[in-house]
Amino acid sequence: QVQLVQSGAEVKNPGASVRVSCKASGYSFNTYSIHWVRQAPGQGLEWMGIINPNVESTNYAQKFRDRISVTSDTSTSTVYMQLSNLRSEDTAIYYCARLRRGDYWGQGTLVTVST
Amino acid sequence: IQMTQSPSSLSASVGDRVTITCRASEGIRNDLGWYQQKPGKAPKRLIYGASSLESGVPSRFSGSGLGTEFTLTISSLQPEDFATFYCLQYKDYPYTFGQGTKLEIK
Repeated sequence: QVQLVQSGAEVKNPGASVRVSCKASGYSFNTYSIHWVRQAPGQGLEWMGIINPNVESTNYAQKFRDRISVTSDTSTSTVYMQLSNLRSEDTAIYYCARLRRGDYWGQGTLVTVST
Repeated sequence: IQMTQSPSSLSASVGDRVTITCRASEGIRNDLGWYQQKPGKAPKRLIYGASSLESGVPSRFSGSGLGTEFTLTISSLQPEDFATFYCLQYKDYPYTFGQGTKLEIK
């Protein structure tokens, strides 16, 4: 069965970077793109970006374009999302998701940005 | 593409019929999904392609619309349906969600 398993919670200082991983299993990793979506406490869903692991092409929301990097490692079927220059407003749950041929989400990773 | 969802909150009773609307700032064909999210859980897609029901989703959920106006209808609310609902357009990057509709028990 398709599974997306994310890395654990992180606490970061303002100005730092965070890298969240998303390990896929149960399907051919190169076949489907992976999205990143975040949700700040009590807020709505926000689409951040996407990667096609087959060609490592990416597309990011303008809001994050200068701070986000999404990469993939086909040898481990893992996608990584790095967000730099963190600020308190980046405190959120970060989800990876496969949205084609079904709807599959990771369990979410809480990133807390605080001094 | 901006997605404007209404209402932002809704109070209803078990057995009620409810409708949630999303309006796109430009035409998105039928490239729209509806998601349900319960507290502490990842979103779950109910509808894709504006009107196609995901496998395993009860038939009391339905979607309609094309172009710029879309609706999600729950024909007879059940206790497990109380949650927050979002639309998502996937015609163009960046994908964009509606602001969400919190459905509460009256």
